[in-house]
Parts: sequence; structure tokens; C-alpha cells
Amino acid sequence: NAGVTQTPKFRVLKTGQSMTLLCAQDMNHEYMYWYRQDPGMGLRLIHYSVGEGTTAKGEVPDGYNVSRLKKQNFLLGLESAAPSQTSVYFCASSYTGGFMEQYFGPGTRLTVT
Amino acid sequence: GENVEQHPSTLSVQEGDSAVIKCTYSDSASNYFPWYKQELGKRPQLIIDIRSNVGEKKDQRIAVTLNKTAKHFSLHITETQPEDSAVYFCAASYTYSGGGADGLTFGKGTHLIIQP
Repeated sequence: NAGVTQTPKFRVLKTGQSMTLLCAQDMNHEYMYWYRQDPGMGLRLIHYSVGEGTTAKGEVPDGYNVSRLKKQNFLLGLESAAPSQTSVYFCASSYTGGFMEQYFGPGTRLTVT
Repeated sequence: GENVEQHPSTLSVQEGDSAVIKCTYSDSASNYFPWYKQELGKRPQLIIDIRSNVGEKKDQRIAVTLNKTAKHFSLHITETQPEDSAVYFCAASYTYSGGGADGLTFGKGTHLIIQP
């Protein structure tokens, strides 16, 4: 099993450009999450999904959109990138909700200039 | 929503000594408290967790204690080794206000440095 994978690993964008980050899991997990990690800020939840076809906002959703068309994939989109979105993005998944271990992907380092 | 406070932000200990990291939470409904370890440039990984019906849990050199009345929980690492150097995150479960689903709120992390 590959677990949780993320594509790409690194990306540099110019302000105003768009991009999509892909998260895939092969553990048949229902829940998937997108977090951003900034120095001294811990892991902050952007959006999450409790199953195929569902999405919901987390703590810091502004400037991001998500889609979960297939159970194994969770996409994070930036429509118009801003320097404030420079961060490391982690995807995670869990079998069910908050009472189960979350498995994290390797992260995507995004720089917006 | 849930608020998790973690202290200290940086902890430096001599190799072989013990390290203690403390967290407090605000939501009395929280009942699952995991600890994640993140090495430099790597993904967070679960090292130990505890549920609210248990006061203490041990796994070799690491242990977690939970005081539900005081709403705090702690990570204890004994006989620290160089490979324990990492950032440690505590987390507490809570119910998302928007979707009624459950998730985790993370503390801001503790950078543990093991001095040789």
C-alpha cells in the first residue's frame, strides 16, 4: 500500500496563477483533510470531506476550493494564488472521524512570489 | 470550536534525561487525544494516543497522561535519544460546527532538541 500520496512535492507560482494539488489514498478511508503548516502555527485545517461527493470548510478555507469526486482522491485548488498562501500543504485521511488516527501525506511545499 | 494550547514551544534536554510536553484543551466533549511526531522535512506520524476512559498509556519510552477534570494531557519521553529530536504535536478531537463531523484540532507544536 502506498498510503497517502500527494502531487506535486514542490511548486512555485506567481501571484494570480492557479493550481491544483492532488491527494490520493489507497486505504479505503472515508474522511480526508487538507491542512496547511506555517512556522509556529501548527497544522490548520483548510477543508475536509466525510465521504465521496462531500466537502466542508475548516478553519482557514478562504482562497481555496476542494472536490472529492472519487473516494480515493481529494483535490485542493487555488484559483488566484497570493503570497499569503506560501506554505507546506498536507493531506490526511482517516477511516472515520476525529476518534481515529489520521494518516498524512508527504506534503507539498508551495511558494507564491 | 476546540482550542488546544501546547507548551513549551521549544524544549532542550540532555541525552538520557526525560522530556515532558503539556497540552490543555477547551472542549469537555473531546475524548480522543493523539500525539504526532514530525521530523524535519517529513510528514507527521502518530506515536501514541489516549482515549478519555483511560488515565495513562505507555509504549516503551513514551507515555501519555490525561486529566479530564483539568482538561490537560501530557507526553512523557524517558531516556531521550538523539532520534527523539523532532517537532511534537498534540491534538484533541472535536465536532466540526459546519458538518457535524468529527476531527482533530492540533496544538502549535513543541520543538524537542536532544543535546548530546
